[in-house]
Amino acid sequence: DAMVIQNPRYQVTQFGKPVTLSCSQTLNHNVMYWYQQKSSQAPKLLFHYYDKDFNNEADTPDNFQSRRPNTSFCFLDIRSPGLGDAAMYLCATKEVGSGANVLTFGAGSRLTVL
Amino acid sequence: KQEVTQIPAALSVPEGENLVLNCSFTDSAIYNLQWFRQDPGKGLTSLLLIQSSQREQTSGRLNASLDKSSGRSTLYIAASQPGDSATYLCAVLPYSSASKIIFGSGTRLSIRP
Repeated sequence: DAMVIQNPRYQVTQFGKPVTLSCSQTLNHNVMYWYQQKSSQAPKLLFHYYDKDFNNEADTPDNFQSRRPNTSFCFLDIRSPGLGDAAMYLCATKEVGSGANVLTFGAGSRLTVL
Repeated sequence: KQEVTQIPAALSVPEGENLVLNCSFTDSAIYNLQWFRQDPGKGLTSLLLIQSSQREQTSGRLNASLDKSSGRSTLYIAASQPGDSATYLCAVLPYSSASKIIFGSGTRLSIRP
């Protein structure tokens, strides 16, 4: 059973047209992450939520935003996608303080910008 | 600043061989190190996690080792199979931030039948 679910798996948008990607988890983990991964590169952390506390990476573009309305859901909003934003977007969760600190990923959402 | 490096970027071996993938990190102050597998166009699947107090972890044909003092980890795959073909990434959880995991860029492994 999938524990971190991302929707949609594939998203095609036009240059400048806003996009929202969603992530839900059944693990009840306190931390949720959004990563951007381009071809043959390491996943790049965009931001993460520790419970309700939002943590933005310094180099995350301003047109990327995130919402976490409750423990189970987290959204990535791209306000005005550019061609350079085409990538795989990965959601991950972790329970900080559990001792195990295992990072669990969803299957990813691949974004294409036309 | 913690940096994670994986060399080589790509590796091709014939089926049946034992192989070792390498991961190095610059700061030994880590909570743990995790190895992931990523199939093309897919998310990451956790393979093994080694806590900082541990030296190795095993799962089936996989064995991961950790040497914090030298900043190195290896992933050993025994009797490789074509189904092992994927990209393998390592990631460390640094003391400096218990929430932020730092990834290497991965080794793309191809097993030739």
